[in-house]
Amino acid sequence: KAGVTQTPRYLIKTRGQQVTLSCSPISGHRSVSWYQQTPGQGLQFLFEYFSETQRNKGNFPGRFSGRQFSNSRSEMNVSTLELGDSALYLCASSLGTTDTQYFGPGTRLTVL
Amino acid sequence: GENVEQHPSTLSVQEGDSAVIKCTYSDSASNYFPWYKQELGKRPQLIIDIRSNVGEKKDQRIAVTLNKTAKHFSLHITETQPEDSAVYFCAATPHMRFGAGTRLTVKP
Repeated sequence: KAGVTQTPRYLIKTRGQQVTLSCSPISGHRSVSWYQQTPGQGLQFLFEYFSETQRNKGNFPGRFSGRQFSNSRSEMNVSTLELGDSALYLCASSLGTTDTQYFGPGTRLTVL
Repeated sequence: GENVEQHPSTLSVQEGDSAVIKCTYSDSASNYFPWYKQELGKRPQLIIDIRSNVGEKKDQRIAVTLNKTAKHFSLHITETQPEDSAVYFCAATPHMRFGAGTRLTVKP
């Protein structure tokens, strides 16, 4: 099976812009979670989707949003970008919400 | 709450020594505890996991132990090698929450 894929892999934006990141889960996986990872930091949970429904949300401002499509692919959007949003954004897919998560390669976002 | 605390944040050992990383969780409903290894510039990779109906699980040089009463679980790496150098993350369900990570350095 193909692994989790994320596009784009790298992205450079300026403050105030918005960005959309995409995640394609492993075939058959219905749960997708998103994480933000900054240098020296752990994995900060953003949100989790299962069958097109947001099941859980982390402690991030409303500028961070996401959605999941009927084919389980997921997107996350960040509006009004700030310098502090520069990070590696990882998505992970799993069969269900309590199953093993498999990570994608991440999208490295740089905000100038 | 659903916090997962991980210690230590950094760990340096000599090649061949053992390394132990500990995590505690707060949610009594937690029943699945994976460990991930993240090498520099790479994605986190699952290395071992344990479910709440098991007290210990071993895979070659890696083992995980779980104490449900105390709500803590640990990763044990024996006979460490330089290629074990990485950041290790523990996690716990429900709503998979990760510890802050442990940077393990194995000195040759």
